[in-house]
Amino acid sequence: GNSVTQMEGPVTLSEEAFLTINCTYTATGYPSLFWYVQYPGEGLQLLLKATKADDKGSNKGFEATYRKETTSFHLEKGSVQVSDSAVYFCALSDQTGANNLFFGTGTRLTVIP
Amino acid sequence: KAGVTQTPRYLIKTRGQQVTLSCSPISGHRSVSWYQQTPGQGLQFLFEYFSETQRNKGNFPGRFSGRQFSNSRSEMNVSTLELGDSALYLCASSRDRTSNSPLHFGNGTRLTVT
Repeated sequence: GNSVTQMEGPVTLSEEAFLTINCTYTATGYPSLFWYVQYPGEGLQLLLKATKADDKGSNKGFEATYRKETTSFHLEKGSVQVSDSAVYFCALSDQTGANNLFFGTGTRLTVIP
Repeated sequence: KAGVTQTPRYLIKTRGQQVTLSCSPISGHRSVSWYQQTPGQGLQFLFEYFSETQRNKGNFPGRFSGRQFSNSRSEMNVSTLELGDSALYLCASSRDRTSNSPLHFGNGTRLTVT
């Protein structure tokens, strides 16, 4: 079956620190991979996506590369800001339906000044 | 452009009752999906509607149902409420059913069952 395993949180970093949130997946076929972010009091927002192996998704300084050989899609940012404090979710969709997403448990990131 | 609108924002119900949640998608979006978010189970897919037809269903009991209207607005219904149904219910819309059309989520309806 499909599943996403995400790095446990919470994660606390100082401003300008390097961020990595690990995400690995199990899926049949060739899933699409996503990172969603949930800011306090808001709904989920798509942060970035990759639809095939070796694709790199990027947005707002965040990056993630679809690695089929390691079934991973780790989220990275070179220099975090206080405004990046949020909960980050890794997700996948398989061929049965692009809108049927399987989510990881979420990682809460807090960035302190 | 207005985002995905969910009503009501908060609901308190008693065990055994039923509840209906509403979702208005972004204008032009034809697919509406519903998710349940709980601290224990995380985010779980409930079902997806497209062109008034259910296209996909998650692993939830038949007490959870939904429908979509011709204007793409959607409702989900939970009958015979149980304490474990307490959750944040998220609606998401997209233009179509491909991975090139990202999901846009609403802020959710928080349901508390007492």
